[in-house]
Amino acid sequence: GAVVSQHPSWVICKSGTSVKIECRSLDFQATTMFWYRQFPKQSLMLMATSNEGSKATYEQGVEKDKFLINHASLTLSTLTVTSAHPEDSSFYICSAAYSGGLDSYNEQFFGPGTRLTVL
Amino acid sequence: QKEVEQDPGPLSVPEGAIVSLNCTYSNSAFQYFMWYRQYSRKGPELLMYTYSSGNKEDGRFTAQVDKSSKYISLFIRDSQPSDSATYLCAMSPYTGANSKLTFGKGITLSVRP
Repeated sequence: GAVVSQHPSWVICKSGTSVKIECRSLDFQATTMFWYRQFPKQSLMLMATSNEGSKATYEQGVEKDKFLINHASLTLSTLTVTSAHPEDSSFYICSAAYSGGLDSYNEQFFGPGTRLTVL
Repeated sequence: QKEVEQDPGPLSVPEGAIVSLNCTYSNSAFQYFMWYRQYSRKGPELLMYTYSSGNKEDGRFTAQVDKSSKYISLFIRDSQPSDSATYLCAMSPYTGANSKLTFGKGITLSVRP
């Protein structure tokens, strides 16, 4: 159980175009979804936190007008990279978590990631 | 100083070796400590989590937390080639669906047959 999928797994686009990445929780309803960015040999950096039906909360330094996040349902969140530039090339990973459960720890379940290359 | 520092790598060990992976942190508010394993071009998967100080064992893996020293470790016994991956430590001040994780940089482990 607790499977998170991302689509697409990789995408190549031209500079100036927009790219949408989907994150889905397949077998549970996610109260919260997170978006991370990971550069080669670097750690995961949290970009934003989103709750279903609410505006996303962005981390300091992340441009909310550039990285549009929509969390339309309890199983789907999307990240749109607008007017992409080569420096936006990275590995984008989402995770999903739900409230409650028997355990005291609310695990984040990670998707497989999306590799974005902007030419 | 970064909130979470992880020993630099890469690390290469022979099969059967005991591996010790370590992280230090500066934020005393951290209460939950996690170890994730990430294979190349994949998302991280949770290996173990620990609340507060102490040890936790799961098969060949042991997680250790020393809050007084702000130091956590992951030990892998009888390492196998299938353990070859990047290991990331992560921490959070609280649990709950909205809890944010702060990750270390990760260390790449290679277990030689």
